[in-house]
Amino acid sequence: SQQGEEDPQALSIQEGENATMNCSYKTSINNLQWYRQNSGRGLVHLILIRSNEREKHSGRLRVTLDTSKKSSSLLITASRAADTASYFCATDAHNAGNMLTFGGGTRLMVKP
Amino acid sequence: GAVVSQHPSRVICKSGTSVKIECRSLDFQATTMFWYRQFPKKSLMLMATSNEGSKATYEQGVEKDKFLINHASLTLSTLTVTSAHPEDSSFYICSASPGTSGSGEQYFGPGTRLTVT
Repeated sequence: SQQGEEDPQALSIQEGENATMNCSYKTSINNLQWYRQNSGRGLVHLILIRSNEREKHSGRLRVTLDTSKKSSSLLITASRAADTASYFCATDAHNAGNMLTFGGGTRLMVKP
Repeated sequence: GAVVSQHPSRVICKSGTSVKIECRSLDFQATTMFWYRQFPKKSLMLMATSNEGSKATYEQGVEKDKFLINHASLTLSTLTVTSAHPEDSSFYICSASPGTSGSGEQYFGPGTRLTVT
């Protein structure tokens, strides 16, 4: 079953602006991951944040995790047209044997 | 990094025929492999989890006899869509995990687009 809920479902911004996507989940997790998917393509792993971490950076990406609120956010700074894609969060729950549960995804469009 | 391949990348088949999709971990041994299905503009839905040498565990609502999964070796899992129908048309993605539970490692294949005519 889908645990994660993402908002917004769709986001349209201008190049250079920041994009923030949110993800909420319901059960205790080992970690939360963010993936990117270009239209019709496979998933690309962006970043993993463990349950004992609160914030993580990777290039223009910043991920936060609030386990008390069971939520995470992905911030893409200084967006580029090439960032246009769907972004999914996925949770690795306790005792789930590495099984990932995906959120509904956010479709990001960055206009040049 | 770890690489997972899928074959074929695209397949078109006629209604009533069966289609086999292969998922291979190229440079690591996959203790567990997962099969996902994705409808256009939707998220990935886990179909089943397969462990090498044992029967796959299917998610609720996924027909075992319709979607046959074989994980015969630590580097290969296959998904066979039997007696395919147009509603089976979808994007199928596999992933492979080498690690122990909670390690978070899971590597995704590029996906297979199935179109049933």
